[in-house]
Amino acid sequence: AQSVTQLDSHVSVSEGTPVLLRCNYSSSYSPSLFWYVQHPNKGLQLLLKYTSAATLVKGINGFEAEFKKSETSFHLTKPSAHMSDAAEYFCVVTHNQAGTALIFGKGTTLSVSS
Amino acid sequence: DAGVTQSPTHLIKTRGQQVTLRCSPKSGHDTVSWYQQALGQGPQFIFQYYEEEERQRGNFPDRFSGHQFPNYSSELNVNALLLGDSALYLCASSLDRGLDWGEQFFGPGTRLTVL
Repeated sequence: AQSVTQLDSHVSVSEGTPVLLRCNYSSSYSPSLFWYVQHPNKGLQLLLKYTSAATLVKGINGFEAEFKKSETSFHLTKPSAHMSDAAEYFCVVTHNQAGTALIFGKGTTLSVSS
Repeated sequence: DAGVTQSPTHLIKTRGQQVTLRCSPKSGHDTVSWYQQALGQGPQFIFQYYEEEERQRGNFPDRFSGHQFPNYSSELNVNALLLGDSALYLCASSLDRGLDWGEQFFGPGTRLTVL
């Protein structure tokens, strides 16, 4: 069985400060891991993905995540938050094989203040 | 290149009715998955279609059924609607092979309200 736990339901930062959104995963198989972002009234957008290549993954809009197998973590970071980063973020795990479903975490709401 | 499209955008039904939601995948994609996102929750997997067959199913009752057509578009049908079926229904498409394998592209969703 696979699952993800997003450790914070809500994170608040000031514009220009670093962002850290935490995610732990559980998987019996070699996992693929993703971070998706959902802005209000917009569809889910892929930020970045890990599929057993480099453990440090760079995504869009300055986000990156590091896969740490020993800690079963896949935390999302950004050096400097922007107001436009305010959104809902989902950590996602799936099997590294065809035909498997995405398993979503419950989400972390990121608020950015000026 | 059009991404994933879904119709309708909003729908209001009453308990006991039936509903059909539609999805057109991103050009070149052959796999369609459906998810239910309740308010304040992460999306939950309903089922996935590939080569016009249901390939995998999540923990949803038989009231939820689907279909995939030869052009890869898909429908989600829900019978005997319950209040708890109110949610945003998301369609995602992907390619079952190649460099983009596994990456799912999501549509904007259909907001279903059951009264």
